Amino acid sequence: DSGVTQTPKHLITATGQRVTLRCSPRSGDLSVYWYQQSLDQGLQFLIQYYNGEERAKGNILERFSAQQFPDLHSELNLSSLELGDSALYFCASSPRAGINTGELFFGEGSRLTVL
Amino acid sequence: GENVEQHPSTLSVQEGDSAVIKCTYSDSASNYFPWYKQELGKRPQLIIDIRSNVGEKKDQRIAVTLNKTAKHFSLHITETQPEDSAVYFCAADSGNTPLVFGKGTRLSVIA
Repeated sequence: DSGVTQTPKHLITATGQRVTLRCSPRSGDLSVYWYQQSLDQGLQFLIQYYNGEERAKGNILERFSAQQFPDLHSELNLSSLELGDSALYFCASSPRAGINTGELFFGEGSRLTVL
Repeated sequence: GENVEQHPSTLSVQEGDSAVIKCTYSDSASNYFPWYKQELGKRPQLIIDIRSNVGEKKDQRIAVTLNKTAKHFSLHITETQPEDSAVYFCAADSGNTPLVFGKGTRLSVIA
């Protein structure tokens, strides 16, 4: 158990819909990262938050947004969903303050299926 | 930005043989190179990492080598066992962006 909690574990929805994925980092970790894992595409970095502020942005679509709340949990919002958004979405946390990550502790992931 | 290439994409070895996975990176500023193992249906987990001031690091049957001049690093698994079967990801960290991962290598260890 990494200490990172993600909900829901599975989600099935239709095209055009909006979903929210939730992540609670390890106790004491201030940095939260979101990664998308599609088939044969490895782990694509989406966005990083540190102590409530956006720290780095990767290949995140404009239809996607995220935030980190004062209690340090984070939410990833995916809207106007398309079939190609079907993927496993991982949240990871790190105790490090800067962009230099060191070890990332991953949650179990949220598997999104768009029909 | 950083780009990490990983080869091969799939690898099958007989139990007891060695496995080698290779990665190259593009950003010469990268200084941290971790390897993650992802078992089927599980989360990625760090198995070993190396920083740029070290050329080689070992942990039991696992070793990583780094060639900064060539921007190349490799994972070596000796005496492979069926439980080594998983997808392995290399990554590079330049400190300018969060970890950039390779596309993964699916390792199958055949008993």
